[in-house]
Amino acid sequence: QVQLVESGGDVVQSGRTLRLSCAASGIIFRNYGMHWVRQAPGKGLEWVAIIWYDGGKKYYADSVKGRFTISKDNSKNTLYLHMNSLRDEDTAMYYCATSNPGTSIDYWGQGTLVTVSS
Amino acid sequence: DIQMTQSPSSLSASVGDRVTITCRASQDIRNDLGWYQQKPGKAPKRLIYAASTLQSGVPSRFSGSGSGTEFTLTISSLQPEDFATYYCLQHNSFPQTFGQGTKVDIK
Repeated sequence: QVQLVESGGDVVQSGRTLRLSCAASGIIFRNYGMHWVRQAPGKGLEWVAIIWYDGGKKYYADSVKGRFTISKDNSKNTLYLHMNSLRDEDTAMYYCATSNPGTSIDYWGQGTLVTVSS
Repeated sequence: DIQMTQSPSSLSASVGDRVTITCRASQDIRNDLGWYQQKPGKAPKRLIYAASTLQSGVPSRFSGSGSGTEFTLTISSLQPEDFATYYCLQHNSFPQTFGQGTKVDIK
């Protein structure tokens, strides 16, 4: 079955950098677009970024544009999120998720927690 | 950006009740909408895709309808395991956007 396992979450100071990873199994990773979605404590879901199945296109939420970079390594079945210039408001559980082209997010990981403290 | 307005933000209901949740899009999104259920401490789970197609394995008491700007998730007979928070997500254009969520709890 599909399994997405996030890692890399940590407690970091504001302004610092962090990289999240998401290891995928049970899917043909190179055929899937991949997303990051986050959820601040006690809040709703916020879509963060998507990368096309081949890495050819990337889109970001306005709140992270210019600070976060999504990438994927199809040879390692792994998705990444490079987060620069972290802010207190980036504190959240970060989920990776998959989607087929033209469809909504289907599979989700269990999340990795990022806490930014000033 | 497309805004998704979800209502109500919360509701109290009893087992066996019929429950309806609505999402309104700020512009036409055709049927590019999914519905998700999230329980505390867990990742979301997709219930409905393409506005009205039931995800495999999801009970038939869940249904979705609508297109364009108005969408509805209906639970025909609420069960104890359905107490959760529900979200809609539009994927018509980027950035993709979620509704604010509807928390369904026990009356």
